[in-house]
Amino acid sequence: NAGVTQTPKFQVLKTGQSMTLQCAQDMNHEYMSWYRQDPGMGLRLIHYSVGAGITDQGEVPNGYNVSRSTTEDFPLRLLSAAPSQTSVYFCASRSTGGWQYFGPGTRLTVT
Amino acid sequence: RKEVEQDPGPFNVPEGATVAFNCTYSNSASQSFFWYRQDCRKEPKLLMSVYSSGNEDGRFTAQLNRASQYISLLIRDSKLSDSATYLCVVNSLFNDYKLSFGAGTTVTVRA
Repeated sequence: NAGVTQTPKFQVLKTGQSMTLQCAQDMNHEYMSWYRQDPGMGLRLIHYSVGAGITDQGEVPNGYNVSRSTTEDFPLRLLSAAPSQTSVYFCASRSTGGWQYFGPGTRLTVT
Repeated sequence: RKEVEQDPGPFNVPEGATVAFNCTYSNSASQSFFWYRQDCRKEPKLLMSVYSSGNEDGRFTAQLNRASQYISLLIRDSKLSDSATYLCVVNSLFNDYKLSFGAGTTVTVRA
């Protein structure tokens, strides 16, 4: 049981490049989400999904896309990277009891 | 006004001391409350849920005060390993699936 896994752990992009952050969970959780964490700020919700085929925007969705074709996978796509997207990104899945489990994070730098 | 606010600290305490800190939330209709722990450059991990009657897990005690809209965390007999940032988490204003995170309270336990 690996829990929530994320790849890559580190990434450097140039402005304008696109990329996909991968997230997978093996706990059969319906609810998954993506957050970004910046210094001095709480985790901010980017997008979330309540099940395969269903996604919705969170607090800071601009510049990001998501899809949920399976229960296990929830990739986050950066369309055209900007320096303001330099952050640590966490994927999470949530049990029906409300407990949320986070992946190890992806540290992204956009130059 | 932020949905969840925390004193960022840091709280610097000697080993064996008791440390306590609060978190305030803005939505009186919030139903779910949690404390998470985050070590430096790691993912947040669930520490404990907070129940209306208060609850204890070993050296950690969480309390909920609905009238004043705050939750608290108390750590007794602090250990060096308790050094971390503690995140207060509350369910969203509009959607129980969405969790709102405080920016965290940093605790440093010194020998």
